[in-house]
Amino acid sequence: GESVGLHLPTLSVQEGDNSIINCAYSNSASDYFIWYKQESGKGPQFIIDIRSNMDKRQGQRVTVLLNKTVKHLSLQIAATQPGDSAVYFCALRWVMDSSYKLIFGSGTRLLVRP
Amino acid sequence: GAGVSQTPSNKVTEKGKYVELRCDPISGHTALYWYRQSLGQGPEFLIYFQGTGAADDSGLPNDRFFAVRPEGSVSTLKIQRTERGDSAVYLCASSFEGTAGELFFGEGSRLTVL
Repeated sequence: GESVGLHLPTLSVQEGDNSIINCAYSNSASDYFIWYKQESGKGPQFIIDIRSNMDKRQGQRVTVLLNKTVKHLSLQIAATQPGDSAVYFCALRWVMDSSYKLIFGSGTRLLVRP
Repeated sequence: GAGVSQTPSNKVTEKGKYVELRCDPISGHTALYWYRQSLGQGPEFLIYFQGTGAADDSGLPNDRFFAVRPEGSVSTLKIQRTERGDSAVYLCASSFEGTAGELFFGEGSRLTVL
């Protein structure tokens, strides 16, 4: 089956520093990738997405980079704030026989030190 | 409210009992997804509805799990003869289209089987 993995389960950063969260995937046919943020006791919340025909996309304080050659995805958060503390999941879209679903990785916990 | 609503937020039951979990998606969203999330893990796909029909139920772990969406809006996830291993947070998500674009998640129903 499909797998989406992460390099680090926990990332601790100083407030104001930049954060980089990495994700590796194995399905080269995936055409769409999303980063979600999940705070304790809540459902995942969409952060940013990128299609496979792009290698970079920027949002507000966040940037997603996609390297299809090595099947690697990263989320960069600029000037990390305490409110960024959460678990971050990468997800890829899996399409088969007209079924569309998102497959999630196991997550990275981001801790922001004051 | 305007978001995905899930009830109950918490459910404690005994092994062997029957459980129903309800999801009320965002109005107008045609696609509805159920995921299961165990502690420290990413959401695991269970089933996906496009309208009233289950477009993909490949993630249901066994025949004790069943889901319906009779009118193409509210969905109910049904678990028969619950087992301790069923304990998890059950997340529901909806999207405007059925192509697994941005999914909007509810806050989940935490199921504990004693």
